Amino acid sequence: EAGVAQSPRYKIIEKRQSVAFWCNPISGHATLYWYQQILGQGPKLLIQFQNNGVVDDSQLPKDRFSAERLKGVDSTLKIQPAKLEDSAVYLCASSFGWWIYGYTFGSGTRLTVV
Amino acid sequence: AQSVTQLDSQVPVFEEAPVELRCNYSSSVSVYLFWYVQYPNQGLQLLLKYLSGSTLVKGINGFEAEFNKSQTSFHLRKPSVHISDTAEYFCAVRIGTASKLTFGTGTRLQVTL
Repeated sequence: EAGVAQSPRYKIIEKRQSVAFWCNPISGHATLYWYQQILGQGPKLLIQFQNNGVVDDSQLPKDRFSAERLKGVDSTLKIQPAKLEDSAVYLCASSFGWWIYGYTFGSGTRLTVV
Repeated sequence: AQSVTQLDSQVPVFEEAPVELRCNYSSSVSVYLFWYVQYPNQGLQLLLKYLSGSTLVKGINGFEAEFNKSQTSFHLRKPSVHISDTAEYFCAVRIGTASKLTFGTGTRLQVTL
């Protein structure tokens, strides 16, 4: 089966600019996650969707970050405006509803804010 | 509160030597434990998971881990490592009814000749 697709792979922007990341989960996976992985740290959950509804966005900085999952398939994560501390790898993952099977991760988008 | 701790940020080891990567968790309720591996410029790949049953869990690439409830640990082991095992390894935990995985800070395994 095709894996979790993410684009772009790399992005460099200046602070205060906006940026968007795209994720296409594995077909049939109802649950989609966005994680932020800062260099030297473990991934941190930003937001979790079940179909097109938000399950957990408690660690999403809502003043600058937003995410949507239209039609319960693809998802977009946006940052506006970006700060230097947003430099990180943004990982998308999906699972077949029941989490215990483990997530399947995409390759991530490496964001550098200068 | 830190739910999962990986004390070793880096572990250097020679090829064909055994290795143990340590993971400890903090929880008074049921936990489900995972180990993921991340190769350079790639996403995370599931190595193994403990959900219930046998405390010794075998995963891919010859890795295994043992769940120790009394010591709140889930250490990852491999009897003989290969150069290709060089990667970042993350321990993750789901606690009780929480819907998300919480990851440790990772351990960099560096295998050399």
